[in-house]
Amino acid sequence: GQQVMQIPQYQHVQEGEDFTTYCNSSTTLSNIQWYKQRPGGHPVFLIQLVKSGEVKKQKRLTFQFGEAKKNSSLHITATQTTDVGTYFCAGPGAGAGSYQLTFGKGTKLSVIP
Amino acid sequence: DTEVTQTPKHLVMGMTNKKSLKCEQHMGHRAMYWYKQKAKKPPELMFVYSYEKLSINESVPSRFSPECPNSSLLNLHLHALQPEDSALYLCASSQDLAGLAYEQYFGPGTRLTVT
Repeated sequence: GQQVMQIPQYQHVQEGEDFTTYCNSSTTLSNIQWYKQRPGGHPVFLIQLVKSGEVKKQKRLTFQFGEAKKNSSLHITATQTTDVGTYFCAGPGAGAGSYQLTFGKGTKLSVIP
Repeated sequence: DTEVTQTPKHLVMGMTNKKSLKCEQHMGHRAMYWYKQKAKKPPELMFVYSYEKLSINESVPSRFSPECPNSSLLNLHLHALQPEDSALYLCASSQDLAGLAYEQYFGPGTRLTVT
């Protein structure tokens, strides 16, 4: 089935440093979504990207969708302790499962104060 | 109201027990989902309901039995579970089926421990 590969698995940064997580798919994605899950919490929707080359910003977070719609990234500028959590990308499945989301394995972000 | 509620928050059950997890949303969403999440893993899809009909059953063992009594409610009936079924069970909803570009709203989950 459809797989969305996400790297890195873990990232430890000093507060104030930048952070980036990457998602890659072997096939073209119609869209990609990003979710954040705080420790002990549940996934919360952040953004959805649909267009080739799309860039969207939410304060210190920048989301990109590749020109070929096979990769995406989330970049956080000047991390804060409130950014701690696991960030998941999610794309539609393939074939008959195209209307369900397949989650990447996530990148767990730790921020050292 | 963009909230999905789940009860109970925590559940400990023996392998011979029968219990149910409940989920409710009042956003008018027509798709509802059950996910299982083990520690340090992404959510793993179990069931999808669309317009109150079961759309997807991801080869889930029959000891898990979903039910959608109406468009706002989703239940997961549990019977004869195994210790390896211990996990966080998440309910989610979306306006329609999510792969068609609708975001999912997750509930806080039920942390299940099977003893």
